[in-house]
Amino acid sequence: AQSVSQHNHHVILSEAASLELGCNYSYGGTVNLFWYVQYPGQHLQLLLKYFSGDPLVKGIKGFEAEFIKSKFSFNLRKPSVQWSDTAEYFCAVNGNQGGKLIFGQGTELSVKP
Amino acid sequence: NAGVTQTPKFQVLKTGQSMTLQCAQDMNHNSMYWYRQDPGMGLRLIYYSASEGTTDKGEVPNGYNVSRLNKREFSLRLESAAPSQTSVYFCASSVRTGSTADEQYFGPGTRLTVT
Repeated sequence: AQSVSQHNHHVILSEAASLELGCNYSYGGTVNLFWYVQYPGQHLQLLLKYFSGDPLVKGIKGFEAEFIKSKFSFNLRKPSVQWSDTAEYFCAVNGNQGGKLIFGQGTELSVKP
Repeated sequence: NAGVTQTPKFQVLKTGQSMTLQCAQDMNHNSMYWYRQDPGMGLRLIYYSASEGTTDKGEVPNGYNVSRLNKREFSLRLESAAPSQTSVYFCASSVRTGSTADEQYFGPGTRLTVT
């Protein structure tokens, strides 16, 4: 069965610090990968997605993620975080499950002004 | 274009009571999903409907039933609520049937407490 693991449960950063959130998945076939963000009190929104091609994917609000197939990883990065990036971040994978997504446990990011 | 809407936003039930969570999307999407979100566990799929007229179990279907009323609407029913069903429930939709590549669009959620 597919699974997704996010190793950081809670990350606390100061504004302007760089961010990297880890995401690893277990599935040996072709995968589609997603990062979603949930701002406090809001619903999930798509940050970025990878289907094929360039393994470095750029998303909204300056976020990017790199797909490393050999490491089964899809880490999320941002060079300089802002207070408004405070949110929970979810990695998700879709392999052979039709339209179904498998989500990681989520990483809560707190950015101190 | 409202996207995915859910009602109610909040609900408190007593153990054993029943209720139905409503979800509707106006994007002409084929597939719809119900998730529950619990702290430290991410989102877990309860049921999904790949297309109008079909429903299938997800990862945690016990204690729930669903109805795909039409292409727009997908409801989730708790027949006899239990405290373990205290959670935030999200409905989502995606455009193509069974596509692995489509992003899902989420509703605002329903916060349910069962006492």
